[in-house]
Formats: sequence, C-alpha cells, structure tokens
Amino acid sequence: KQEVTQIPAALSVPEGENLVLNCSFTDSAIYNLQWFRQDPGKGLTSLLLIQSSQREQTSGRLNASLDKSSGRSTLYIAASQPGDSATYLCAVRDSGGGADGLTFGKGTHLIIQP
Amino acid sequence: DAGITQSPRHKVTETGTPVTLRCHQTENHRYMYWYRQDPGHGLRLIHYSYGVKDTDKGEVSDGYSVSRSKTEDFLLTLESATSSQTSVYFCAISESGAAGTDTQYFGPGTRLTVL
Repeated sequence: KQEVTQIPAALSVPEGENLVLNCSFTDSAIYNLQWFRQDPGKGLTSLLLIQSSQREQTSGRLNASLDKSSGRSTLYIAASQPGDSATYLCAVRDSGGGADGLTFGKGTHLIIQP
Repeated sequence: DAGITQSPRHKVTETGTPVTLRCHQTENHRYMYWYRQDPGHGLRLIHYSYGVKDTDKGEVSDGYSVSRSKTEDFLLTLESATSSQTSVYFCAISESGAAGTDTQYFGPGTRLTVL
C-alpha cells in the first residue's frame, strides 16, 4: 500500500526566505505527483503536476522536483510572502493497479511571518 | 477555477439518518472522485467513477455508496450516518483516469457533522 509522508508537519519562516518542503512515497510505481495548496476552510488548489518521466516543473516562484527511484519530491518556494501561508499537500497517482485516485500526505502547515 | 459545486456546504445530522451529498460539474469530465479529510489522516479516497453508472471503491468505502446517472452529477450517500463519518468531504474531477496526464480539480468541500 502506497504511503506518502511530508516533512516538516509545520514550518514558520520570516518573509523573503527561500524554503523547501519535502515529500516521500513508498512505492515508486506512480503515474505522476502533484502539489496542492489548501487555505483554511477551503478546497484544494493544484500548484504543480510532475509526470513520472519528468524531473521538475516550475510555476512562478514555485519549483517542484521528482526523484521517482528514491521516492522523493521537493517543493521549493522562492522569496516567500505572507500570502504563501497555507497547508501544502503532496499526492501521488499510483500505477501499480488498484483503485484510481490520489494518495495524499498529511501536509505541511506553512506560516510566513511578515 | 474548475466548475465544481458541492451541496450542501454544511450539514448537521443525527446518528442513524441517511445523508446524500451532491457533486455537480460543468466541465464534462469523465472521472469523478469522493474524498474525506480528517485531522491526522489527510485526504482519503472513498469512491470514484469512470463514467455514467461506472463506479468503484476506494480506500475507505465502508458505510458509503455512490451513484452517477449523469456525467455532471456524482452523489455520495451515507445510508445510516455514524459519528465516525463526521468529516469534510471533497469531490474532485479529472478529464482522464489514472494513466492520464491531467490534474484533479477539487470542489469547495462539504462539512458534515454527525451527532
């Protein structure tokens, strides 16, 4: 059974810092990996999707990398802003059979201090 | 934002009563999903659909049933609600299934409290 772990569970940094969020998964048989953002009381917003054949994806100040063989992904946020404060979720889409759908980590709660 | 609505957005009910949650999409996507989100567990897949009248179970399907009679609507039913089903329920859609390249888009969620 696929398991996704996110470290750290919570992070508080001053505005302007660059930061890295980590995600690891136990089964490398995946189609893709996604990073989402969730604001309190809200739904999920997709940030980046990396296909299993790709190494990284970039969107603005966000860069996500994927090392499928080692079961790791990182989300890099450059020049953090208070508006980046949210919970960041990592999810994988398995290719090893079984139910369709995403397997999620428990998230990293990020606070950017003004 | 993807055109996904969920209704109701909030519901309080009593143990033993039936509850139906509705997910409606305007994107004409083939695949639809129901997840629940609980503190300490993250999001977990309940059921999903890969077409009209085609559904399958996810990780935590016990106590839930689903139906999809139209492309745009996916219903989640709790036949007899229990306190352990208190949660936030999210609907998601995608154009392609597991082997596809597209993302899943999520609705705003339904907060269900079972007393």
